[in-house]
Amino acid sequence: DQQVKQNSPSLSVQEGRISILNCDYTNSMFDYFLWYKKYPAEGPTFLISISSIKDKNEDGRFTVFLNKSAKHLSLHIVPSQPGDSAVYFCAASAKNTDKLIFGTGTRLQVFP
Amino acid sequence: DTAVSQTPKYLVTQMGNDKSIKCEQNLGHDTMYWYKQDSKKFLKIMFSYNNKELIINETVPNRFSPKSPDKAHLNLHINSLELGDSAVYFCASSRRTYANTGELFFGEGSRLTVL
Repeated sequence: DQQVKQNSPSLSVQEGRISILNCDYTNSMFDYFLWYKKYPAEGPTFLISISSIKDKNEDGRFTVFLNKSAKHLSLHIVPSQPGDSAVYFCAASAKNTDKLIFGTGTRLQVFP
Repeated sequence: DTAVSQTPKYLVTQMGNDKSIKCEQNLGHDTMYWYKQDSKKFLKIMFSYNNKELIINETVPNRFSPKSPDKAHLNLHINSLELGDSAVYFCASSRRTYANTGELFFGEGSRLTVL
């Protein structure tokens, strides 16, 4: 039972344009959401997070949007840069649990 | 200076063998984890320890035994390796017990191949 889903395995975007990565979840108990970025042969690194009490969180070029009614969140990267090329994992956790549930990732490629 | 380090990075072994993966973090975190990324790219939690105490033990075969000698170390020992154990194993740590109050810091991963 995949509680966190990233339905697009890959995304290709031109440098300077906006990248939009999507994530859907099924567990209504999730109240904290995170995005991780992973380069080949490295571990995932934390990028940005959002609590369920918010619908938007921004950090530089990265913005995460949360739509609780649709159980959907998205990561916007603008402008996209070649160095953003990586696999992006969406993750979620429920209150007072020690588990992060990850999606399967979306591979973003930013080309010049 | 690596924050979360795992050894070995690559491990190739025969079915039936026993192997260990070591993990150390120098971040001063209290909580450490083992995650498994299988061939379908699912990243799933296996165990978590808080200050040497087991907090999470997911539905993992008892061939897998974590050991935490101190809060900076969490090792993973696997007995009687099977083909399905082939995966990348990630160690991680966090500042607090609950993942939703602190980000996870991951190691680089240990790729295990069972032949």
